[in-house]
Amino acid sequence: SQTIHQWPATLVQPVGSPLSLECTVEGTSNPNLYWYRQAAGRGLQLLFYSVGIGQISSEVPQNLSASRPQDRQFILSSKKLLLSDSGFYLCAGLDSGYTFGSGTRLTVV
Amino acid sequence: EDQVTQSPEALRLQEGESSSLNCSYTVSGLRGLFWYRQDPGKGPEFLFTLYSAGEEKEKERLKATLTKKESFLHITAPKPEDSATYLCAVPLPSSGSARQLTFGSGTQLTVLP
Repeated sequence: SQTIHQWPATLVQPVGSPLSLECTVEGTSNPNLYWYRQAAGRGLQLLFYSVGIGQISSEVPQNLSASRPQDRQFILSSKKLLLSDSGFYLCAGLDSGYTFGSGTRLTVV
Repeated sequence: EDQVTQSPEALRLQEGESSSLNCSYTVSGLRGLFWYRQDPGKGPEFLFTLYSAGEEKEKERLKATLTKKESFLHITAPKPEDSATYLCAVPLPSSGSARQLTFGSGTQLTVLP
């Protein structure tokens, strides 16, 4: 079964600074990969998904971008963070089922 | 519009007091309904997948059921360690092979000792 690794667990960044969150997958090959954001409360909002290397689809226009340079690597980036980018970011993979990473708590100050 | 709605938003139970959480959906051509448990500051943990009306699945004190319009997560004789947010999700029918999930807003369950 697949395992999703995310880091860092917690991040505090100033407004205007760049961002790079990494997600790697273990135990499967060529999975669909997803980035979700969970704001205060409980709902998960899909940000990006990828069905293969170099293939990225965006669900909502925003200050963020994603890349998939390798089969098992999915990166969420920003050139300049906004206060509104604060939240809990989750990477997920689809193999035989959906598996989530442990998340990154991003606070933009 | 495809939607997933969970109720109640929050539920407080005494230890041993059984209850049910609801997840209603309006997507057509359901390709599975997923239940997850999420502890504070953690990623969602998979509980169940249901695919067809009438299907039931059980795990310890939890039982998930599915009808054509909704799913229930029944919690029998809950314990404080069952306290968490419970999320349900369905794949968007229009998503094709991407199969991205749309989530309900969750039910925050608190079980008091």
